[in-house]
Formats: sequence, C-alpha cells, structure tokens
Amino acid sequence: DVKVTQSSRYLVKRTGEKVFLECVQDMDHENMFWYRQDPGLGLRLIYFSYDVKMKEKGDIPEGYSVSREKKERFSLILESASTNQTSMYLCASTLGQTGRQYFGAGTRLSVL
Amino acid sequence: SQQGEEDPQALSIQEGENATMNCSYKTSINNLQWYRQNSGRGLVHLILIRSNEREKHSGRLRVTLDTSKKSSSLLITASRAADTASYFCTSGTYKYIFGTGTRLKVLA
Repeated sequence: DVKVTQSSRYLVKRTGEKVFLECVQDMDHENMFWYRQDPGLGLRLIYFSYDVKMKEKGDIPEGYSVSREKKERFSLILESASTNQTSMYLCASTLGQTGRQYFGAGTRLSVL
Repeated sequence: SQQGEEDPQALSIQEGENATMNCSYKTSINNLQWYRQNSGRGLVHLILIRSNEREKHSGRLRVTLDTSKKSSSLLITASRAADTASYFCTSGTYKYIFGTGTRLKVLA
C-alpha cells in the first residue's frame, strides 16, 4: 500500500529553535506538498515541490523553507520557530499534476 | 490555484440517515476531489470526479458535479458512526486549495 510517512506525530519546541519536519513517500511521486491546518482556517499550502531540488511557494511561505534533495523526501524547515507556528502540519504527495493526494498522518507542533 | 468551499460547516445526523454536503469553486477545473479527515489525522482520498463527468458512485458515496454552477455535492447514504469526520473538496493543478471542510457527526 502507498505510504507517506511523517517523522513525528507530536513535537514540542522552544521559540527560536530551528525545527525540521521530515516527510518520506514510497510511491516515486514527483510532487510533494506541505500544509498547515489551523481551526477555522482549513488547510493552507506552505510550499510544494514538483521535482528534486525544485520548489514553489504556496500561500503562506513566510517563516518556512523547504528542502528536496531526493525524490522521496521533502523537508519543512522552521528557521526560527515562533509561537504562531504552533499548528498541525500535513505532508502530501501526488503522481501527476491533478492526481489524488496521499497524506501523511500529520505532525502536531507546539512552539513554547 | 483552485478554491474549494464546503457547505454546511457542520452537520449532525442520526445513524442510518443520508448526509449531503456541498462544495463550490471559482474557476474551471480538470477534476474535483473529496477527502475525509478523522479527528487529528491526515486526509484520506474518497473520490475523484472529472470535469466531463456528472455523477460518480463509490460504495455508499455519490458525488455530483455541475460545472455550469461550479458546484459539487457529496452524498453519504445510510450513514454510520464511523463516518463522523470532516470532509473537504479540492481541485487544482499543483496548488491544491482546501476549504475549512464540513464537520459531520453521525449519532448512534
């Protein structure tokens, strides 16, 4: 079965720390995505990548960066975590431009 | 990017009843997809309907698409307590945009 794995289900970090959220997919998908989900705001796209070393900003990229050195792995980086980045983070992947998305289980990040 | 907006925001029904939720979008689409999210988990793909299709079925799910009205509906028949979840619609090319979803509660 297809799988998107996020490295942590729960994470607690301190303000100012550098935070890495890792996502791995085993389906050889070209496209990978990072979303954050907050109550009342739905899912918002942070960044996506359509190929290795390629990335595009989503709707809320400020305060985040990404890395895609290998096709199967897409990392979300919080350069200096802030309390307003406390959220649920979801990773997803797709094969084509308009295909179904496969989601990871999510990482609930708390920044104290 | 494409926008999916679900309606109603919340829906509460008895087990065995049908649940209908709606989705509106703003621009032309290649396809429209519905997803389910159980509390605190990732989203799970339910069904994809292409722009040239008007209706699609998958088990207890029935999806309709009206491109002239830029709207879609998801019908869950004979609902079960396990259908309690949030439901999202989306479409797009690369930049999938999700709304805030419909929170469905099925009471046993």
